[in-house]
Amino acid sequence: SYELTQPPSVSVSPGQTARITCSGDALPKQYAYWYQQKPGQAPVLVIYKDSERPSGIPERFSGSSSGTTVTLTISGVQAEDEADYYCQSADSSGTLGVFGGGTKLTVL
Amino acid sequence: QVQLVQSGAEVKKPGASVKVSCKASGYTFTSYGISWVRQAPGQGLEWMGWISAYNGNTNYAQKLQGRVTMTTDTSTSTAYMELRSLRSDDTAVYYCARDLDSSPSYFDYWGQGTLVTVSS
Repeated sequence: SYELTQPPSVSVSPGQTARITCSGDALPKQYAYWYQQKPGQAPVLVIYKDSERPSGIPERFSGSSSGTTVTLTISGVQAEDEADYYCQSADSSGTLGVFGGGTKLTVL
Repeated sequence: QVQLVQSGAEVKKPGASVKVSCKASGYTFTSYGISWVRQAPGQGLEWMGWISAYNGNTNYAQKLQGRVTMTTDTSTSTAYMELRSLRSDDTAVYYCARDLDSSPSYFDYWGQGTLVTVSS
């Protein structure tokens, strides 16, 4: 089955830039999406279609794509950004969804 | 405003079935789909499947094929997810999320989650 690969954890100090990567063979063909999840809460969409930001999401969240890897970048990280982040996409046929394993962002 | 309100927590025995509901409001139900996502305790998100509220087309995750059925009731703007032959590793929080109507895509609104506990 198709898989998306994320690093388990990323740590940054407040004000620095955090980058979370997600790799998958079908990413050149399928859009990627990113979700933020805080403990005990439902996930929140922070990036859609690789690099688009939903209304209400701070400008410090951005997304990019290059080949089989997509990247979520959080510029000027704040303490409130500490959360789990999941990438999500579809298989090459576009009929089955898939999530990455998740990355825990720690703000030091 | 868009809202997805799910049914309450369930406790089931192994081998039983569970049916979780997801009532949508604040948008035209038949213009979108619903995906179901679950999260086992301390684990990541797992996509379970998608249903078009427009025509009832479904796509299910391969590992759940044969055990899961997703349906909608357009008269009440409610989606349902039934999981059969429950096992202990089905213990999880189950979420519904608004998706596109044409194919699984992305999830811009989520329900609050329903905890399903499978235990003898």
